Amino acid sequence: DARVTQTPRHKVTEMGQEVTMRCQPILGHNTVFWYRQTMMQGLELLAYFRNRAPLDDSGMPKDRFSAEMPDATLATLKIQPSEPRDSAVYFCASGLVGTTHNEQFFGPGTRLTVL
Amino acid sequence: QQQVKQSPQSLIVQKGGIPIINCAYENTAFDYFPWYQQFPGKGPALLIAIRPDVSEKKEGRFTISFNKSAKQFSLHIMDSQPGDSATYFCAASTEDNFNKFYFGSGTKLNVKP
Repeated sequence: DARVTQTPRHKVTEMGQEVTMRCQPILGHNTVFWYRQTMMQGLELLAYFRNRAPLDDSGMPKDRFSAEMPDATLATLKIQPSEPRDSAVYFCASGLVGTTHNEQFFGPGTRLTVL
Repeated sequence: QQQVKQSPQSLIVQKGGIPIINCAYENTAFDYFPWYQQFPGKGPALLIAIRPDVSEKKEGRFTISFNKSAKQFSLHIMDSQPGDSATYFCAASTEDNFNKFYFGSGTKLNVKP
């Protein structure tokens, strides 16, 4: 049963601390997305990668957020330093571009609370 | 500027009713329109999708109606059930930006028994 996995599922931290969220995309998928979900803003695309190369990170606050794909099985989203306004649920999704199947498969999310 | 506008924000119907969720877009280059369903504590999951070469698509109790000239599309849920209670998101994407989705703001549906 192929699925996107994310760790940790929940994270509570204090303002100023570094936060790292991890995602394992579905094996064979070549595109990975990071989204942030809040009540006020809904689902926001932060960044996405194709074949591990960043394609678009225009939705991400560059001064504190960074996203990487060290290898095809791991994507990371880092916040340093974290702020209370970063509290949200962060979703990773993966998909396979280059076929007629245009679906994004979402992970269960990481619920981040910054105190 | 929001690329896809979704309404209503929330919806309450009785079991068996037909909730309708509407989305509108401006970019005529959009050529793929999926709907995602999200249950509390879970990630969104693809429910049904349509391309602009058809005006309607049905999958089980879920139907997408698409009006290309009006640049609008909607989700209808026939014979709605309490298990359909979830948040629904519409989205749109373009072939040249394949797989980058512009999501609507979401509609929280509550189907009462």
